[in-house]
Amino acid sequence: GAVVSQHPSRVICKSGTSVKIECRSLDFQATTMFWYRQFPKKSLMLMATSNEGSKATYEQGVEKDKFLINHASLTLSTLTVTSAHPEDSSFYICSALWDSFYGYTFGSGTRLTVV
Amino acid sequence: QQQVKQSPQSLIVQKGGISIINCAYENTAFDYFPWYQQFPGKGPALLIAIRPDVSEKKEGRFTISFNKSAKQFSLHIMDSQPGDSATYFCAASIQGGSEKLVFGKGTKLTVNP
Repeated sequence: GAVVSQHPSRVICKSGTSVKIECRSLDFQATTMFWYRQFPKKSLMLMATSNEGSKATYEQGVEKDKFLINHASLTLSTLTVTSAHPEDSSFYICSALWDSFYGYTFGSGTRLTVV
Repeated sequence: QQQVKQSPQSLIVQKGGISIINCAYENTAFDYFPWYQQFPGKGPALLIAIRPDVSEKKEGRFTISFNKSAKQFSLHIMDSQPGDSATYFCAASIQGGSEKLVFGKGTKLTVNP
């Protein structure tokens, strides 16, 4: 149980375009989801926390207008990278809090390459 | 106060040996301490987790030892196997609070055959 499906797993886009990454909870309702960014050989950096039906809470230094997060339903959160640039290339991972005792489950990640 | 310090950065162990990774924290409000295993190109997967009301938790070859007074916790992998080669992250969070996971910087484990 507690599976989070993240799509796409890889995406290549041209500089200046926008890319949407989806994160779906398959067998539970995710009131809270988290979006992370991970650089090569580095730890996960929390970008934002999204709560269903309300605005996302962004971590300090994360551009809200560049990384748009929508959590419109209890099973879907999306991250849209707007006007992508090569420096946005990274590994993006979503996570959902599925149980206060058992904790968090993570998606399989999305490798974004901006050319 | 929100940091979780993890060591070592990298670890090489022979097959059958014991792998030990350590983490330390400052915020005494943390009440959930998971360990994650991550393979290249994949998201982290929960390995084992502990809460501060117990000092040790064992699941198969994986054991968490927790020292509340020292604010430290560690992961022990017994009988390490080449398939255990991955990056391991410790983390901490406050359940019922912001619930954000604070991650350590990770340990790259290599188990030689």
